[in-house]
Amino acid sequence: GAVVSQHPSRVICKSGTSVKIECRSLDFQATTMFWYRQFPKQSLMLMATSNEGSKATYEQGVEKDKFLINHASLTLSTLTVTSAHPEDSSFYICSAGETSANYGYTFGSGTRLTVV
Amino acid sequence: GENVEQHPSTLSVQEGDSAVIKCTYSDSASNYFPWYKQELGKRPQLIIDIRSNVGEKKDQRIAVTLNKTAKHFSLHITETQPEDSAVYFCAASRGSSNTGKLIFGQGTTLQVKP
Repeated sequence: GAVVSQHPSRVICKSGTSVKIECRSLDFQATTMFWYRQFPKQSLMLMATSNEGSKATYEQGVEKDKFLINHASLTLSTLTVTSAHPEDSSFYICSAGETSANYGYTFGSGTRLTVV
Repeated sequence: GENVEQHPSTLSVQEGDSAVIKCTYSDSASNYFPWYKQELGKRPQLIIDIRSNVGEKKDQRIAVTLNKTAKHFSLHITETQPEDSAVYFCAASRGSSNTGKLIFGQGTTLQVKP
């Protein structure tokens, strides 16, 4: 089946620094990838839709200059949290759908970000 | 945009009993409704899904029903086991995996007591 690899699984960074999270589709092409954020004991909140070769579409309330998304190829999307603050500490998870298939979303393993 | 409401937020049942989790959605154009099980610190795992052209789907102890008119869908787990304990999320999408973003419900923490 479709596999999505997400790295790193855990990262601790200092306030003010930037962190890049990678999401790769290993055995399929993903025109579209989705980035979610999940705070403890809460649901997955969609942050943005990442489109290969074009600008990402951000959900209301998500700062596009703070959460930079790049989807340069059909197998890789990256999320960069810029100028991180402790309130950005969260579980970030990506999801991708296979280009040739309708429906069916595969999730990455998630990244636990802690900003100190 | 789409809004998905999920109830209850917590559910405790005795082993062997049934558990039912309900969701409603707001976007009548939504046509794909998956259910996920998530264990602490892990990715959501798809347990069952249903498309809008079907009213019910069953997979062993798990079933999902969909009422498009009322815009609600439910997860039914029969003969619950302690290993069913986890957080369950419903979700809704209006398109294919290429264009349809998944919007999640708030989640239900299911506890199955042995």
